[in-house]
Amino acid sequence: NAGVTQTPKFQVLKTGQSMTLQCAQDMNHEYMSWYRQDPGMGLRLIHYSVGAGITDQGEVPNGYNVSRSTTEDFPLRLLSAAPSQTSVYFCASSRTPGDEQFFGPGTRLTVL
Amino acid sequence: QQPVQSPQAVILREGEDAVINCSSSKALYSVHWYRQKHGEAPVFLMILLKGGEQKGHDKISASFNEKKQQSSLYLTASQLSYSGTYFCGTEIDGGSYIPTFGRGTSLIVHP
Repeated sequence: NAGVTQTPKFQVLKTGQSMTLQCAQDMNHEYMSWYRQDPGMGLRLIHYSVGAGITDQGEVPNGYNVSRSTTEDFPLRLLSAAPSQTSVYFCASSRTPGDEQFFGPGTRLTVL
Repeated sequence: QQPVQSPQAVILREGEDAVINCSSSKALYSVHWYRQKHGEAPVFLMILLKGGEQKGHDKISASFNEKKQQSSLYLTASQLSYSGTYFCGTEIDGGSYIPTFGRGTSLIVHP
């Protein structure tokens, strides 16, 4: 099992550009989530999904969109990148929201 | 609502003990603990459910006092490999049961 995979590992964007961070899991987990991690701020939830076709907002959803068309994939879209979105992004999955979460290796995003 | 972790940082020598606390202003259903090494993803340690659980994991254990709405993580006889940032995540009782993470506690173990 590959677990949770994320691509790309690093990305540099210019302000206003859009992009999609990819996340996939092969554990047949229903629950998937996206976090951003900034120094001293911990892990903040952006969006989450409790199953294919079901998504909801977390603590910091502004500027991000998600969709969940399959159980395996949960992409995160930045619509118009801003310097405030410079961060490390982690995708995670678990059987249910309250279970052990498996995190992907992260994507380090810099917006200039 | 984000739980509060204390202390923010701990510096130890190998063999010393440490306690990391996690507290909430709301009644909790569960507390999750994760460790993140520098440049890596967070890794699960344990989950404690309401009911006054205690759990152990080698020399790392934790307690959950639901009346005080807090949990403590105990690291005994620290090893160099324990270095990293520890996060607690809390699920509010009667809430969405989506865990919210604290800001983390940095633990540095020196030889």
